[in-house]
Amino acid sequence: DVVLTQSPLSLPVTLGQPASISCRSSQSLVHSDGNIYLTWFQQRPGQSPRRLIYNVSKRDSGVPDRFSGSGSDTDFTLKISRVEAEDVGVYYCWQGSHWPPWTFGQGTKVEIK
Amino acid sequence: EVQLVQSGGGLVQPGGSLRLSCVASGFSFSVYWMHWVRQVPGKGLVWVSHIHSDAISTAYVDSVRGRFTISRDNAKNTLYLQMNSLRADDTAVYYCTNFFGVWGQGTMVTVSS
Repeated sequence: DVVLTQSPLSLPVTLGQPASISCRSSQSLVHSDGNIYLTWFQQRPGQSPRRLIYNVSKRDSGVPDRFSGSGSDTDFTLKISRVEAEDVGVYYCWQGSHWPPWTFGQGTKVEIK
Repeated sequence: EVQLVQSGGGLVQPGGSLRLSCVASGFSFSVYWMHWVRQVPGKGLVWVSHIHSDAISTAYVDSVRGRFTISRDNAKNTLYLQMNSLRADDTAVYYCTNFFGVWGQGTMVTVSS
């Protein structure tokens, strides 16, 4: 099974400052079709998860451009250029390249200092 | 509006059964693979089960295989999860999702005597 390891698990950030979350995979996430199915989800308190980024770096419709994804092979990063109050929540990476099982990272809790 | 509306959660005794439902609207349900994901309150997301768009191919996480059955009715745009022989460690919020950006609102399943 693919293990996704996120760091840090807790991320206190000052409003307006950048934030970065790492997601490392136990094996390459390059699918046999050449794509990398690495997705980032945001879960705000009391809400269902929401997809932010898919295929490493493609932003979903309606997602602010302060969110960006990057990476390759086994190392991936979600960046928030300037954290806003509405960004508080838990962020999960997820892989759909090698399944079953489809796997999530442990989650990173973003909070305002 | 694109949405998944869930129903069927609740309190059940250990060894009991529950069936969760998830009704899709606003998108072509029949062409999507569908999944169930669960989350113990305060903990991370865990993939539980998958069903192919053909309603035949399925997959399960090891901890529920043989006890849970996923199914779908494409004519009714509905996904199901039949949960038998429930245990205390099945207690969680259960979400349906297509992993393409659509998630249900979640339904709480509590297994307790």
